[in-house]
Amino acid sequence: SAVISQKPSRDICQRGTSLTIQCQVDSQVTMMFWYRQQPGQSLTLIATANQGSEATYESGFVIDKFPISRPNLTFSTLTVSNMSPEDSSIYLCSADRGGGELFFGEGSRLTVL
Amino acid sequence: GESVGLHLPTLSVQEGDNSIINCAYSNSASDYFIWYKQESGKGPQFIIDIRSNMDKRQGQRVTVLLNKTVKHLSLQIAATQPGDSAVYFCAESIRGGSQGNLIFGKGTKLSVKP
Repeated sequence: SAVISQKPSRDICQRGTSLTIQCQVDSQVTMMFWYRQQPGQSLTLIATANQGSEATYESGFVIDKFPISRPNLTFSTLTVSNMSPEDSSIYLCSADRGGGELFFGEGSRLTVL
Repeated sequence: GESVGLHLPTLSVQEGDNSIINCAYSNSASDYFIWYKQESGKGPQFIIDIRSNMDKRQGQRVTVLLNKTVKHLSLQIAATQPGDSAVYFCAESIRGGSQGNLIFGKGTKLSVKP
């Protein structure tokens, strides 16, 4: 299995600010993804982080709100821009080594006041 | 700690009993399925997977059953232990499509009574 580290693990932010979440995988992986998990809910895919090109966003998520970077095969960032209380959620980074099984980080718990 | 199961269906079982968690998946074209366990304050953890060319797969204390006719997936946990208390999610994907793009079900919170 892959070890995935995310930081920050949690943060409290003010409305209108932006926060960047970092995801580091301990080995090279083919695919990386960002999910959101709102309180008491299931996981929703935000986007696929593509190495060397623009991320692929799911319906309802846009690049201006959730810019993503993936400069290499082990690292990605997700920024939550111009935050509102509705963005309070757990943001999860995940990786696939090619077998279809996703490994997840511990998540970044964001509270927006 | 933070709970992710506040609004989820709950299954309560006695320690030592068997647990069965059910999931109805949405896409008849899905051909790969995974069960994840999520403990409070942690990320989802892989439990077991199954491909659509199988209808049953066993792991250590866990069994996954797949019924493609009715698009139903179940997770059976034998001799449930307090450490099994968590939220369980099923996930589906079409491996020939967006590889690794898993669609998660709503989740079930398993509570084990000592």
